[in-house]
Order: sequence, then C-alpha cells, then structure tokens
Amino acid sequence: DGGITQSPKYLFRKEGQNVTLSCEQNLNHDAMYWYRQDPGQGLRLIYYSQIVNDFQKGDIAEGYSVSREKKESFPLTVTSAQKNPTAFYLCASSPQMDSYEQYFGPGTRLTVT
Amino acid sequence: GENVEQHPSTLSVQEGDSAVIKCTYSDSASNYFPWYKQELGKRPQLIIDIRSNVGEKKDQRIAVTLNKTAKHFSLHITETQPEDSAVYFCAAKGLKEDKLVFGAGTILRVKS
Repeated sequence: DGGITQSPKYLFRKEGQNVTLSCEQNLNHDAMYWYRQDPGQGLRLIYYSQIVNDFQKGDIAEGYSVSREKKESFPLTVTSAQKNPTAFYLCASSPQMDSYEQYFGPGTRLTVT
Repeated sequence: GENVEQHPSTLSVQEGDSAVIKCTYSDSASNYFPWYKQELGKRPQLIIDIRSNVGEKKDQRIAVTLNKTAKHFSLHITETQPEDSAVYFCAAKGLKEDKLVFGAGTILRVKS
C-alpha cells in the first residue's frame, strides 16, 4: 500500500504535552512532507524535507518541529505551543527525480483535550 | 507564492452523469497539476496528473484539461459510479518550487 507508514493511527493527548508522530518510508524517496487536514479544508503543508539533515517550513509551521536524521524517517512533533493541535496529520513522500507524485501515508488522527 | 482555488466545494450528480471540478492557479510558471482522490477515512491517492506541455490527458473515465492562458485546469469524470464518491483535491507545483499547493477539495456524491 505505498510503502509509507504512520503510527499510531489514533493518538490522544492532554493539553500542554508534546507529542511525536511517526512517519517511515521504504520507497527510497528523497523528499518527505507533513500535512495537516481539518474538516472542510484542504491539505496544509507544515514542514517538508528534500534531503537528510535539511528541512523547510511550510505554510503552518508554528507550533511544530521535525527532524530528518535518516532518509526513511521524518517524525513530526506537535508542541504545546500549537494552539489547535487536534487534526488529521498526513505524511507523504516523493521521489522528486522524474516524478513529482506524492505518496501518502494512512494518517494519524490526533485529539488533544 | 502559488495559490490554488477549487470549485465547487460540493457536487452531487446522478449515477451515470458526468462530473466536472475546476481549479485555478496564480503562478504562471507552474508546470505540474495532479488530482488526488480521498475516500472517507483513507489516504489521498493520485488519480491523474498533467504537465504544462500537454493540454489534455485521459485515463478511462477520467480526464484532465489544462488551459495555461487562463491558468485553470479541470477534472472530468464521465459515467459516474457510486464508488467515485469521495473528496477530490487538485494541486499545482511551481517550476522552481519543491512542494505542491493544494486546493480546498471537492466532495463528490454520486447518487444511485
């Protein structure tokens, strides 16, 4: 199913806690992306990375942090500074070379109360 | 930066009818335009894409048209079936960009 996985599928946290969402891919893709999806809205880009040890802010990076220590992994941390963290989070990867297609993971639904 | 607008936000059609979803983009240098389908509770999946050097592309019941002058592109689904019911997203990528910009999505309902 695409070779990109996210865990867990559902995540519940108390307000004020940091939480890290996992994203792993075995597609040997160079680029990886994190999106946030809210009801009735499109996919909003949080962070993306083109190569290991490098990443760029997307449109809504405030309150989030990422790392890219390995090509296969791109974890997203939702910090307590994120005002409205409850959402569906999608990770994606892309080969970039010759193809711009993005392959999405199954998503993590985060609920913060 | 690039801005993508998608219309309509919801679309209901009778089974067997055609459905058309339209997107406009702002960056005239954009060169890649994919369409993704997202079924309820599932991940978005690419259904068709087009590059700026092509005006139209077809894949069975699905087609995409691109008008570079007007900066808009459209998804056409013919002979709609209940399994076409989903949210459809368009996106655009600028020539010098490393990321896609997505439209807000269209909820398509096919009534049987």
